[in-house]
Amino acid sequence: DQQVKQNSPSLSVQEGRISILNCDYTNSMFDYFLWYKKYPAEGPTFLISISSIKDKNEDGRFTVFLNKSAKHLSLHIVPSQPGDSAVYFCAARPTSGTYKYIFGTGTRLKVLA
Amino acid sequence: DVKVTQSSRYLVKRTGEKVFLECVQDMDHENMFWYRQDPGLGLRLIYFSYDVKMKEKGDIPEGYSVSREKKERFSLILESASTNQTSMYLCASSLRTERTGELFFGEGSRLTVL
Repeated sequence: DQQVKQNSPSLSVQEGRISILNCDYTNSMFDYFLWYKKYPAEGPTFLISISSIKDKNEDGRFTVFLNKSAKHLSLHIVPSQPGDSAVYFCAARPTSGTYKYIFGTGTRLKVLA
Repeated sequence: DVKVTQSSRYLVKRTGEKVFLECVQDMDHENMFWYRQDPGLGLRLIYFSYDVKMKEKGDIPEGYSVSREKKERFSLILESASTNQTSMYLCASSLRTERTGELFFGEGSRLTVL
């Protein structure tokens, strides 16, 4: 039973505009949420994370928002650049301490020049 | 910078062969992981190790085994490769006390089983 869902398999955005990637989770037993970016034939690279006790975390062009009541996580990229074109995975770390991170299925972002 | 190195980027094996995928990290991380990534399925955890000689099954351990004889090295073994094990395999590591929960990934090993 998938506990972390990325319902949009793909997203296209014009260069310079905002990209919004979404992620939903189905229980509250996570202490951290993370976003990873993956280029083809490479391993995922860490982008940004947020603690479950926070609502927002910002790092340069990347901002992650956490809406605990809606069990919803989003990543905003402003402004979007062609180099941002990649697959983005959200992940959640359980509080149980087993370190069995749960990953979403990914959203492929294409930034159009 | 943390470096996680996977020994082979691309492998082609035949059904029934024994396959070893090696992973080495250089930052003294306690935790190491093996995932596989398949289109539409995201990253799925095969095995996890939190210390030398310690291992824990992930979500899809069937057909795989692991070995962690040294802290820096975590090996994934396919005893008898099958075509449904064709996939991208990703190794990752983390500190046990990592506050932000960040996993550090290797570049991946693309395995094709014919």
